[in-house]
Amino acid sequence: DTGVSQDPRHKITKRGQNVTFRCDPISEHNRLYWYRQTLGQGPEFLTYFQNEAQLEKSRLLSDRFSAERPKGSFSTLEIQRTEQGDSAMYLCAGGETQYFGPGTRLLVL
Amino acid sequence: GEDVEQSLFLSVREGDSSVINCTYTDSSSTYLYWYKQEPGAGLQLLTYIFSNMDMKQDQRLTVLLNKKDKHLSLRIADTQTGDSAIYFCAESDNTDKLIFGTGTRLQVFP
Repeated sequence: DTGVSQDPRHKITKRGQNVTFRCDPISEHNRLYWYRQTLGQGPEFLTYFQNEAQLEKSRLLSDRFSAERPKGSFSTLEIQRTEQGDSAMYLCAGGETQYFGPGTRLLVL
Repeated sequence: GEDVEQSLFLSVREGDSSVINCTYTDSSSTYLYWYKQEPGAGLQLLTYIFSNMDMKQDQRLTVLLNKKDKHLSLRIADTQTGDSAIYFCAESDNTDKLIFGTGTRLQVFP
């Protein structure tokens, strides 16, 4: 157990709906990273935070995606107007060494 | 751009050693990592090596780094059926985000 939790673990939604995922790292994790993993591939970087500051965003993060970490603790990742291509596992990692949570599996119908 | 490559599949007999190989392109990588992923689960950090080291051993795991050839390997001694999983190699760039390979599926048979 890495101490990083994610909620929900699974999400099924219809195309066009908005979804929000949450990540809770342990309190010592100043850094928090979001990755996306599609079937048969390795995780791909989306964005990361140093405390509450969002320092980098991947080109994968279209304008339908937004991430926040308002108090430098938990983080949320929102996808607006979901598309079938958004179906993936969304992984959160905390700390400079990057300990991963269990992920949220999203299926867009 | 940065790229990490791994072979897709490895099959070994229980009790034998497994060697999973990885090549990377970013010579400025600070750390190189090995993660394990079981079906439907997140990534478990197995071990990592600092780029100025050439070997690291941790119980049954041995990591070898050839920085000149940009080649990283993970050796698992006395492989067990519980070691069956996908193993990802990853390099960190100058912002510490990880660049992953596509993963090597290790299958251990009795």
